[in-house]
Amino acid sequence: GQQVMQIPQYQHVQEGEDFTTYCNSSTTLSNIQWYKQRPGGHPVFLIQLVKSGEVKKQKRLTFQFGEAKKNSSLHITATQTTDVGTYFCAGNDINQAGTALIFGKGTTLSVSS
Amino acid sequence: DTGVSQDPRHKITKRGQNVTFRCDPISEHNRLYWYRQTLGQGPEFLTYFQNEAQLEKSRLLSDRFSAERPKGSFSTLEIQRTEQGDSAMYLCASSPPVGSGGAYNEQFFGPGTRLTVL
Repeated sequence: GQQVMQIPQYQHVQEGEDFTTYCNSSTTLSNIQWYKQRPGGHPVFLIQLVKSGEVKKQKRLTFQFGEAKKNSSLHITATQTTDVGTYFCAGNDINQAGTALIFGKGTTLSVSS
Repeated sequence: DTGVSQDPRHKITKRGQNVTFRCDPISEHNRLYWYRQTLGQGPEFLTYFQNEAQLEKSRLLSDRFSAERPKGSFSTLEIQRTEQGDSAMYLCASSPPVGSGGAYNEQFFGPGTRLTVL
C-alpha cells in the first residue's frame, strides 16, 4: 500500500536557524497537505499543494510539491520558539478513488532560544 | 462555531470491555473522518463519512470497530472487546462540502479521545 515517509524524524535548532523537513511518497499523489501538531494538541491544517512543481509561501514557511508529485518539502526561515511542534505531510494517492489521507510519521521540531 | 468536539477526552477501560466515542463536527461540514494516532506516529485513517453514508473504511479497521453517523451530523465510533493494542488517541476530523471554498480536502481535527486499555 501507499507509504509516506518523512525525514528527519527529529530536528533541534537554535532560534533563528532555518529548518527543512522532507516528505516522500511511494506513489504519485493527487495533492499534498501539511499539518502542524503542537505538543498535547491536535493536527492543524497549514496548506495544500495540488500542482506539479507548486511552491507556496506563508510568511516564514515555504512549501514545495515535487515535479513528479511524489515528494514535498517544508522550509522554515529563521525559526522561532512558536514553531515548536510536529509537522506532518499527508497525501491522497492519485490512483485511489476516495479521500483517505495517508500521513507521514512527522518531523518533530524543537527550538532553543 | 466552536470547532470539532469529541467526547470523552479520556477513557480508561479494561481489556474486553466495549467503548463508544462521540464526535460532533463543525456544523456545516458534511464530511467526517476518524483516525487513530499512537505515540510517534502520524494519524492513521480509519473511516470516512459523507453525510450519513460510510464511504470508506480502512483495511486496518477490524470487525471489532464500528462507526455510525445516523443523521449526518454527529458520529460515534465503537470498539468492542477492547484489546491493549487499541490504546491510542482517536481523532475525528471534518471537512466542508466540496466546492464550498478552501482546500479540497482540508481537515479540521478535534481534540481527540485518548483510550487506555488496561
